[in-house]
Amino acid sequence: DTAVSQTPKYLVTQMGNDKSIKCEQNLGHDTMYWYKQDSKKFLKIMFSYNNKELIINETVPNRFSPKSPDKAHLNLHINSLELGDSAVYFCASSQLEGPPWTEAFFGQGTRLTVV
Amino acid sequence: GQQLNQSPQSMFIQEGEDVSMNCTSSSIFNTWLWYKQDPGEGPVLLIALYKAGELTSNGRLTAQFGITRKDSFLNISASIPSDVGIYFCAGPPDDKIIFGKGTRLHILP
Repeated sequence: DTAVSQTPKYLVTQMGNDKSIKCEQNLGHDTMYWYKQDSKKFLKIMFSYNNKELIINETVPNRFSPKSPDKAHLNLHINSLELGDSAVYFCASSQLEGPPWTEAFFGQGTRLTVV
Repeated sequence: GQQLNQSPQSMFIQEGEDVSMNCTSSSIFNTWLWYKQDPGEGPVLLIALYKAGELTSNGRLTAQFGITRKDSFLNISASIPSDVGIYFCAGPPDDKIIFGKGTRLHILP
């Protein structure tokens, strides 16, 4: 059973398009995240949702809109894609309301290439 | 914002050598996490540390939670080819988990 699954694994699209990435976790965690990993492999948090509510938005352009229909799902919609959006996007989940507090579990990533 | 400074950035070693890397933060952490990322995969947790001074092992890996609560160390003993990858330290200030910039471990043939 995959704990954190995100789709698609690869996404190639043209500039200006709108695309979505989906994420689901079956761990019963209360918090989900989106991270962006750039070409230098730096992992930067973008958003954090706790029980479907946005708690962290790390100055991400408003072209990026996360949506959490329930606490097991956190989707990422990106409007008007730009070349600089090309990166690997990781979804993760953790249990922040403890104890016990748990570490973050990551999905396999979505490699987004904007051409 | 808060930052984690991880060093070294890269390491080139021979198989069988021991490896040490460390991470420091600008503020006190209550938890330190060490992750490894293989190519094409998401980061996977290696060791979690919850108490200052704690020393925890996972096979050939040993991590320590610094007494000042502002640093942590990861050691890998007798490295093998599958240890190649990127190692990240991480910690949860506030309601998020932030990551260091990673230590890239290369094993020379």
